Amino acid sequence: DSGVTQTPKHLITATGQRVTLRCSPRSGDLSVYWYQQSLDQGLQFLIHYYNGEERAKGNILERFSAQQFPDLHSELNLSSLELGDSALYFCASSEGQGNSPLHFGNGTRLTVT
Amino acid sequence: AQKVTQAQTEISVVEKEDVTLDCVYETRDTTYYLFWYKQPPSGELVFLIRRNSFDEQNEISGRYSWNFQKSTSSFNFTITASQVVDSAVYFCALSDHNYGQNFVFGPGTRLSVLP
Repeated sequence: DSGVTQTPKHLITATGQRVTLRCSPRSGDLSVYWYQQSLDQGLQFLIHYYNGEERAKGNILERFSAQQFPDLHSELNLSSLELGDSALYFCASSEGQGNSPLHFGNGTRLTVT
Repeated sequence: AQKVTQAQTEISVVEKEDVTLDCVYETRDTTYYLFWYKQPPSGELVFLIRRNSFDEQNEISGRYSWNFQKSTSSFNFTITASQVVDSAVYFCALSDHNYGQNFVFGPGTRLSVLP
């Protein structure tokens, strides 16, 4: 168990809808990362937060947004969903130093129909 | 910009064979960190090892060993006497020293160990 909690585990929704994915980092971790993994694809970096502040953005679509709250949990909001957004979304947390490994949650599998 | 290349998309071996997964990285930083992760068929991502750029000592953990060579910008992973449970996708990753702001993953290598 990595200590990172992601909810929900599965999400099925229709095109055009909006969903929110939630992540609770390991106790003490200040950094939260979001990654998207499409079928048989690698890990695409979406966004990184450190102690509530956005630190880096990857190829995150404008329809997607995220935030990290004062209690350090994070939410990833996906709107105007398209079929191509179907993927496994991972949250990871770390202590926030460059040498800190990322510890991943079990992911949220999003299916857009 | 930082980049990680894993040229081997898929590898198949027979149980008990040794196998090496290649990882080549690019960075302009002098201080950086390298990682390997395992993603078994169940889907979770498991941290395996971290290596600092200033520590080129090879590391061995049971049947796993890692060879870090700065001269060739490589951080290769060898599994000795592979087992079916080693079947997974393996990702190599690179992080800079700046609060892990840029944590970049390679595309992964899918390893299939056949009985």
